[in-house]
Amino acid sequence: EIVLTQSPATLSLSPGERATLYCRASQPVNIFLAWYQQKPGQSPRLLIYDASSRAADIPGRFSGSGSGTDFTLTISSLEPEDFAVYYCEQRNAWPLTFGGGTKVEI
Amino acid sequence: EVQLLESGGGFKQPGESLNLSCAVSGFTFDNYAMSWVRQAPGKGLDWVAALGGSGKTAHYADSVKGRFVVSRDNSKNILYLEMKNVRAEDTAVYYCAKDGGSLSSGLFHQWGQGTLVTVSS
Repeated sequence: EIVLTQSPATLSLSPGERATLYCRASQPVNIFLAWYQQKPGQSPRLLIYDASSRAADIPGRFSGSGSGTDFTLTISSLEPEDFAVYYCEQRNAWPLTFGGGTKVEI
Repeated sequence: EVQLLESGGGFKQPGESLNLSCAVSGFTFDNYAMSWVRQAPGKGLDWVAALGGSGKTAHYADSVKGRFVVSRDNSKNILYLEMKNVRAEDTAVYYCAKDGGSLSSGLFHQWGQGTLVTVSS
């Protein structure tokens, strides 16, 4: 099974600041990595797929990069609604796996 | 509008069985693979099972293989998860998620609101 390690576990920032989240895979996953956002009490929401493609209706301040084993999610300027938990997910091989999450807090 | 509505969660003792359902609307159900993803209280996301749009090809996490069965009724637009011999570690909110196409690809564009399963003696 491919293990995804997210860092940092918690990111403490202020609105307007830039957030950089990392996801490292234990084996190469090509570009088949996605990022999801989850707010308290809500279901996850797809942000980025295939490493760098934004999902429908996702603001341009969210961007993704990487390939192989190292990936990054960047939020260029944090809005109040962006404070949430972010998960990466690989779909290169079964079983599908998720990272442990990064909490972006104020 | 795409809607996914899970039901069937509840309280069970270890070793018992439980059936979850996910009723969908707003899209052509048999054109899309579906998955179940769970989240233990206060924990991260954990993929459970996936099923292609035709219902022929299923994939399972090792932790549930042999105990859980995913199926679908394309005439009723419902996805199912049959859970047997449940364990305490199966306690979680179970989400159904819509994939990006008819083959399971693990790309979850839409999610339901989830149903809580609690397993305890």
